[in-house]
Amino acid sequence: GEDVEQSLFLSVREGDSSVINCTYTDSSSTYLYWYKQEPGAGLQLLTYIFSNMDMKQDQRLTVLLNKKDKHLSLRIADTQTGDSAIYFCAERGASGTYKYIFGTGTRLKVLA
Amino acid sequence: GVTQSPTHLIKTRGQQVTLRCSSQSGHNTVSWYQQALGQGPQFIFQYYREEENGRGNFPPRFSGLQFPNDSSELNVNALELDDSALYLCASSQGTGGLDTQYFGPGTRLTVL
Repeated sequence: GEDVEQSLFLSVREGDSSVINCTYTDSSSTYLYWYKQEPGAGLQLLTYIFSNMDMKQDQRLTVLLNKKDKHLSLRIADTQTGDSAIYFCAERGASGTYKYIFGTGTRLKVLA
Repeated sequence: GVTQSPTHLIKTRGQQVTLRCSSQSGHNTVSWYQQALGQGPQFIFQYYREEENGRGNFPPRFSGLQFPNDSSELNVNALELDDSALYLCASSQGTGGLDTQYFGPGTRLTVL
């Protein structure tokens, strides 16, 4: 089946690292994505990882992929108040329709 | 970038609605998603070169059109209260895994 799960809330202090976790069920997923959504706005692509990679780093963002456990994480270093938003992980469905399957989102709150 | 109109819309049950999207220049693929409050986006359908390329679990009263000029429409007939949501369109250069979907800001539809 197709299901992507995330924890609902995360609260961190400014300057700390944030780690947002995601589990997915489709083992044939080839790409996994992280999107950010600020209040009243659409989705902003942060980064993606191909399924044959274990890790990808992009400035303050580090993505870790454990394909065996179907677990994806996004680490934000030196978290700032501007990082407060909802973060969605998404997998690219391998059913041939190229749809993205999104999790329910993790609301990150950064405390000053 | 990807633009959508209108920003907000209020309709009553049983009415019909048309939402519009303008893709990024050169993108031949557009996908539509429904995001209910507090949920992740759910895939409605995708159009590739003006043909429907895949569909999620949405009834036929959800239909779409894609035009050669980078614009597209989502039409919803016989509106129901549960259709109240943020509707997102996303465009991409193609349907491949590296063809990342870029999202517009969304249209918030309220059905009374």
